[in-house]
Amino acid sequence: DIQMTQSPSSLSASVGARVTITCRASQNIATYLNWYQQKPGKAPKLLVYAASTLQSGVPARFSGSGSGTDFTLTISSLQPEDFATYFCQQSYGPPLSFGPGTKVDIK
Amino acid sequence: QLQLEESGPGLVRPSETLSLTCTVSGGSIVSDSYYWDWIRQSPGKGLEWVGNIYYTGSTNYNPSLKSRVTISVDRPKNQMSLRLTSVTAADTAVYYCARHQFSTSPFDYWGQGALVIVSS
Repeated sequence: DIQMTQSPSSLSASVGARVTITCRASQNIATYLNWYQQKPGKAPKLLVYAASTLQSGVPARFSGSGSGTDFTLTISSLQPEDFATYFCQQSYGPPLSFGPGTKVDIK
Repeated sequence: QLQLEESGPGLVRPSETLSLTCTVSGGSIVSDSYYWDWIRQSPGKGLEWVGNIYYTGSTNYNPSLKSRVTISVDRPKNQMSLRLTSVTAADTAVYYCARHQFSTSPFDYWGQGALVIVSS
C-alpha cells in the first residue's frame, strides 16, 4: 500500500502570505497526485489534479508541482476563504490513499 | 449538475451491519463510464478509501476492510449502496460517496457526507 505524509500538520499564516504544503508518497506515483480543500462540516473539494492541473473554477493563486514521491501545493497570496484543511491523495493505484491533512488557520 | 446524496441510519449497534445509500441525480450511475466510491473520515484515521464500483458492476475494496464490505448498485433507482458488517466503534465516521472517471482520476464530485456512530 502507498502511504502518504504531509508537512506541516498545521500552520498559521496571515492574509496575503505565501503558503507551501508538502506531500510525500512512500513510492513513486509519477504525477498521480491530487489536492483537496476541506472546510468544517463540508466534503473535500478538488483543487489540483495530476500534480499540477488546476480544477476548473479554482483560483489561480493555487498551484501544484512535483512528481515521483515529492509534491507541493502553493497558495501564492492567502485569502480569508482559504483557511481550511488541505489533503493530498494518490490515484496511482488501489488502495487509494490520502495524506493526513494540513490545517491552515489565521495568524 | 451532478449531485450525490448519502442516506441511512445515523446510529448502528456494535457487531451489526452498517447500510448506506448514495442517490445520484443529474447523471446515470450505470450508463456513464465512471467509478463510484465510498470514502470515510474519522478523527482517528483521517480520510480512508473504502472501495468503489465501476459502471460495469466490477468492484474494488480496501484490503483493510475487504472481508466486511459490499458495494452494489441499484440501476432502476440510480443508487449505490454500502454494507459494512460486524461494525465496531472504529467504524464511526462520516461516510462520503464520490465519483471519479478513470482509475487514476481524482474524485471530482462528492456527496455532503453522512455521519454514522457505532454505539450501543
